[in-house]
Amino acid sequence: GEDVEQSLFLSVREGDSSVINCTYTDSSSTYLYWYKQEPGAGLQLLTYIFSNMDMKQDQRLTVLLNKKDKHLSLRIADTQTGDSAIYFCASAGAGGTSYGKLTFGQGTILTVHP
Amino acid sequence: DTEVTQTPKHLVMGMTNKKSLKCEQHMGHRAMYWYKQKAKKPPELMFVYSYEKLSINESVPSRFSPECPNSSLLNLHLHALQPEDSALYLCASSQDPASEQFFGPGTRLTVL
Repeated sequence: GEDVEQSLFLSVREGDSSVINCTYTDSSSTYLYWYKQEPGAGLQLLTYIFSNMDMKQDQRLTVLLNKKDKHLSLRIADTQTGDSAIYFCASAGAGGTSYGKLTFGQGTILTVHP
Repeated sequence: DTEVTQTPKHLVMGMTNKKSLKCEQHMGHRAMYWYKQKAKKPPELMFVYSYEKLSINESVPSRFSPECPNSSLLNLHLHALQPEDSALYLCASSQDPASEQFFGPGTRLTVL
């Protein structure tokens, strides 16, 4: 089945850029998502990219997609302490028994130091 | 209204109790989901309802019973749970099964 992998930890200084990486295995994935989860809270949809795009920018967030290498990244510019959270990458199944299913990576814990 | 709400926020139950979790959305979404999430792990899909019909059951034990009474409401009925079922239960909804999913804040369940 589909597999999504992320590095587990990232630590940055306030004001620096953060880059969180993700790789996936299903080349037929239609959409790829980034979710943020703060302690004790649900998942907040940050942004997503359609599989025929290679970049999407939304304010401080930039998503890059390399479909050939099945590699996705999320760049957060000017990282703030409020960005400290777990970030999940997720891949959407294309159809058949995968229709409606998201496959999540293990999550990257981002820690922002003042 | 652009959010998914879940009640209760916290629930403590014994192994012989029967309880229900409730999820509601008023965004006109036609797909709704239940996930289970253990600490520091990604959410695991349990059930998908599409147009009020159960479309995916990820081999969830029968002590968890989903119900979709109408297009805005999703329940999860719990009976005879085990301590290892303690987790954060998340509900999500989307316009349809192919669209982005929006999550509720979750119910923190503790089974004693």
